Amino acid sequence: DVKVTQSSRYLVKRTGEKVFLECVQDMDHENMFWYRQDPGLGLRLIYFSYDVKMKEKGDIPEGYSVSREKKERFSLILESASTNQTSMYLCASMNYRDRVKGEQYFGPGTRLTVT
Amino acid sequence: AQSVTQPDIHITVSEGASLELRCNYSYGATPYLFWYVQSPGQGLQLLLKYFSGDTLVQGIKGFEAEFKRSQSSFNLRKPSVHWSDAAEYFCAVGARFGNEKLTFGTGTRLTIIP
Repeated sequence: DVKVTQSSRYLVKRTGEKVFLECVQDMDHENMFWYRQDPGLGLRLIYFSYDVKMKEKGDIPEGYSVSREKKERFSLILESASTNQTSMYLCASMNYRDRVKGEQYFGPGTRLTVT
Repeated sequence: AQSVTQPDIHITVSEGASLELRCNYSYGATPYLFWYVQSPGQGLQLLLKYFSGDTLVQGIKGFEAEFKRSQSSFNLRKPSVHWSDAAEYFCAVGARFGNEKLTFGTGTRLTIIP
């Protein structure tokens, strides 16, 4: 089974802190994604990566950056956390060779609270 | 650009009753369509998907969905719900060529009453 893990289930940070959210997948998938999930807004794509050191902005990249130094790991970085970044963050991965199938595998999510 | 609309924010059904969750999409061609489920405290799990061929697709947990091109819809159905089906359901659309991104709807929360 594909497994996508996220470093924390719950995280509380202060305004202005630099925050790292880590995601690791164990199936050698090329594509990895970061979403944020907010009530009434569904899932919105922040960034995705289709290879090591490759990244592309999603729909709401402002205030975020990402890092992909190894194939299995995709990090989301909040350079200076703000209260409006309080949200649930979901990581997903997908096999590029199966991209026509479109199935993404999701981690359990990190609920981030910025105070 | 593709988009998805789930018009029902919250639906309540009795255990054993039938279920239909609505999904409408906007895309210039025949899209890829997906339904995902998110149980409380969990990530998303794929229920079913449509790519081509038979417009009625079967998924896991007894769910099915029907693609109707004329109505730009991909509604999810289950003939008899179980208490364990209480969750949030997301419809998603993907582009057919070269685009790995999915666009998700805003979700429908399903409550089951005894």
